[in-house]
Amino acid sequence: DTGVSQDPRHKITKRGQNVTFRCDPISEHNRLYWYRQTLGQGPEFLTYFQNEAQLEKSRLLSDRFSAERPKGSFSTLEIQRTEQGDSAMYLCASSPSRAGPGNEQFFGPGTRLTVL
Amino acid sequence: AQKVTQAQTEISVVEKEDVTLDCVYETRDTTYYLFWYKQPPSGELVFLIRRNSFDEQNEISGRYSWNFQKSTSSFNFTITASQVVDSAVYFCALSEVRGDTGRRALTFGSGTRLQVQP
Repeated sequence: DTGVSQDPRHKITKRGQNVTFRCDPISEHNRLYWYRQTLGQGPEFLTYFQNEAQLEKSRLLSDRFSAERPKGSFSTLEIQRTEQGDSAMYLCASSPSRAGPGNEQFFGPGTRLTVL
Repeated sequence: AQKVTQAQTEISVVEKEDVTLDCVYETRDTTYYLFWYKQPPSGELVFLIRRNSFDEQNEISGRYSWNFQKSTSSFNFTITASQVVDSAVYFCALSEVRGDTGRRALTFGSGTRLQVQP
């Protein structure tokens, strides 16, 4: 399978715990994005990497959230001190390195987080 | 600020009917891209089409067609002869151009759930 993969697919945690999600983009893609999708809504942008550089963060990404892409390959998204409002589907996407924001983004299956 | 509106929350049709999904967008930029994505029950978003703001040529691809009208800021999507497998949530999205390392995030609408009944 050469698509975007995410792990885990489902995560149930108790309020206050920390969680970490992983995303493996398509191998030749240097751009990686994180989105959050709540029930009945479209995905909302969280953050964007070009190679290992985090170039943009949304205001949705509070200080409890941190994302890394240390070697420009896989990325992790960590949520500290989870709250019930963090319950959502966390989507990762990647796009190829050729120029232009018009490149389509390829999405992974998502990690569904439930905070009890 | 950019915004995408999909006023139709849910549409239900009977198989073989044609269905059009509406999308209206707002942007201050003159150069931008518009996308349609499909999210089937499995949950994974699937890219369908991309259009840039300079390309108003409408397109037909099999049972799918797109109508981009810059004058009304609309980018509508039509499925001809719908099938049960078309049942999914469809999202319209917008990406603005802001320099080489500028914002590349997609702004999505809230989606239209299409149910095709057999």
